[in-house]
Amino acid sequence: GAVVSQHPSWVICKSGTSVKIECRSLDFQATTMFWYRQFPKQSLMLMATSNEGSKATYEQGVEKDKFLINHASLTLSTLTVTSAHPEDSSFYICSAFVGTERNEQFFGPGTRLTVL
Amino acid sequence: GQNIDQPTEMTATEGAIVQINCTYQTSGFNGLFWYQQHAGEAPTFLSYNVLDGLEDKGRFSSFLSRTKGYSYLLLKELQMKDSASYLCAVTDSNYQLIWGAGTKLIIKP
Repeated sequence: GAVVSQHPSWVICKSGTSVKIECRSLDFQATTMFWYRQFPKQSLMLMATSNEGSKATYEQGVEKDKFLINHASLTLSTLTVTSAHPEDSSFYICSAFVGTERNEQFFGPGTRLTVL
Repeated sequence: GQNIDQPTEMTATEGAIVQINCTYQTSGFNGLFWYQQHAGEAPTFLSYNVLDGLEDKGRFSSFLSRTKGYSYLLLKELQMKDSASYLCAVTDSNYQLIWGAGTKLIIKP
């Protein structure tokens, strides 16, 4: 299957700082990538849909000025959490959409963000 | 609205069989996925159903009935490593994945 990487796998930062998370499709081109957030013992929550070369589409309740998404190339999307606060501590997972007959999403390994 | 229901938690015994049910109401249907997620890790793909019937993948099988809006994941010969959350997800008419809350499966010796 298709491989998606995320970097970093975990990050600890101080409140008020910004953190950038990278999501890369390693062996295929992904025109669409998704960013999810998952709090403990909860399911994945879609934050935004990122299309290469265009602005991301954010889900209701997700602040686009706080969670900046850039899909600059067909293999890279970045999520920047600006002015992070402790409530932003979560597990962030990206996925890349592969338009096969299964319309499947392949997930990155996730990034654990802890804001102190 | 769009809704996917699955049990919150299930317990089973090592070596046994367990069935995890999922019912859905979505705007359109373009396939149903089952994912396994261990704590602290991203989901991993288990199965995909788009037509009615059973998809047999050895120890794991998945069933779909589109008319009933119903699917189940069947796990046989349970192993301790099968302890995880199992997520049901449906692709709607916009090809967006709608996620269930997940079923935490606890395997006891």
